[in-house]
Parts: sequence; structure tokens; C-alpha cells
Amino acid sequence: AQSVTQLGSHVSVSEGALVLLRCNYSSSVPPYLFWYVQYPNQGLQLLLKYTTGATLVKGINGFEAEFKKSETSFHLTKPSAHMSDAAEYFCAVSGQAGTALIFGKGTTLSVSS
Amino acid sequence: GAVVSQHPSWVICKSGTSVKIECRSLDFQATTMFWYRQFPKQSLMLMATSNEGSKATYEQGVEKDKFLINHASLTLSTLTVTSAHPEDSSFYICSASRPVASTDTQYFGPGTRLTVL
Repeated sequence: AQSVTQLGSHVSVSEGALVLLRCNYSSSVPPYLFWYVQYPNQGLQLLLKYTTGATLVKGINGFEAEFKKSETSFHLTKPSAHMSDAAEYFCAVSGQAGTALIFGKGTTLSVSS
Repeated sequence: GAVVSQHPSWVICKSGTSVKIECRSLDFQATTMFWYRQFPKQSLMLMATSNEGSKATYEQGVEKDKFLINHASLTLSTLTVTSAHPEDSSFYICSASRPVASTDTQYFGPGTRLTVL
């Protein structure tokens, strides 16, 4: 069984500041990990994913995440926030490729000028 | 990238009526599709897993007689909300999974906003 915990339901940063969204997972098998972004009234857009191999994963829009097995974490970062990054972010886990995803509760990112 | 569409994007219906939502994979064949439900300001909850040509597998607590899922082809799955009630109002999102490929993932549709009056 898998589960995801996103620490902090709401994160606020200034434009140009570092973005850090936290995600911890639990999985009885090697996990597949994902970060999705959702804008209001829209579907999900994949930011990045970890399946196997390199633990530092680079995604779209300057985001990256690092898989740390010892910490069961997959935190999402971006060096410099942009106003357009304001959205809802979901961390998700699955047990293998192509299976249903288990989502965290989401983190709302606000970016102020 | 792969594209998944949903139709309609939004629908308003009266209580007691049935609503059908379509999920299509436009540029690949999806042996498995998933249906999620998202309440306002909440996360996505898996409702059911739909495999082409077989009965859907529903998550615990999801009424299979209320949420009818049909996966008639490799590119189309439908979710029918029968006898809809206001508490069924929600954002319904489907996703499609490509077969094979160890690094592949799900592709999500844009969602359907259902409002039951």
C-alpha cells in the first residue's frame, strides 16, 4: 500500500525566492513518484516523475525534485519563483508504471510581487 | 506528449437525472483508464479502474450501481452518474495509461465539472 503526506497545505513566497514544497511517501514496494500542478478549474499537468535511476529529477518550468529513499521524501524545488507558478501542487505515488496514483492533499503555492 | 480529452468540460443537471462523461485517449491506445473525483479544495480520490473489455474495479465506498463505467474500446471510457444528486457535484478527472513502458505514466484529462441542482 502507498500513501503520501504533503507538509504544509499553503506555502507563500515572494517572486524570485526559492520554492520548496515538501512530500513524504510510504510504499511497500519501490515507489514511482510524481509531482503535478493544477491551475483553477483545470486538469493536472505533470511537472516531473521519478521511476528509477538518477535520484535528482528535473522537470518543466524550472522545477526539480530529489528522491531520498532514506528519508522517504520527494520534495519539489524551484530556485526562483515566478508569479505564474501560483497554483495547486500535488505529490503522488504509485507502486508501478501505469497503475493508479495515490495523491497527497495538495499544497497551494502563492507568489507575491 | 499524449493527449487525453474529456467531454463535456462542464455540465449542469437536475437532481434525479443521469449524466455521461466521456474520456478519450486521442493519440494512443489505453488498456487502462482511471476515474478520479475531486471535491473543492481537496485532493483527487480514485473512484475506479477501467480496463478495456472487462468490468471496472471500484474503490471501497464507491457505489458501482451509481457510477457506471464502460471501457468499450482502447480509446474511450465513459462514466455515467445515475440518478445524480447534489452531493454528486464534483470535478471528475480521468486518466489513461499506456501499456508497457517501464517509465511510462498516466495522462490526465482536463476534467469535467458536474453541478447537480
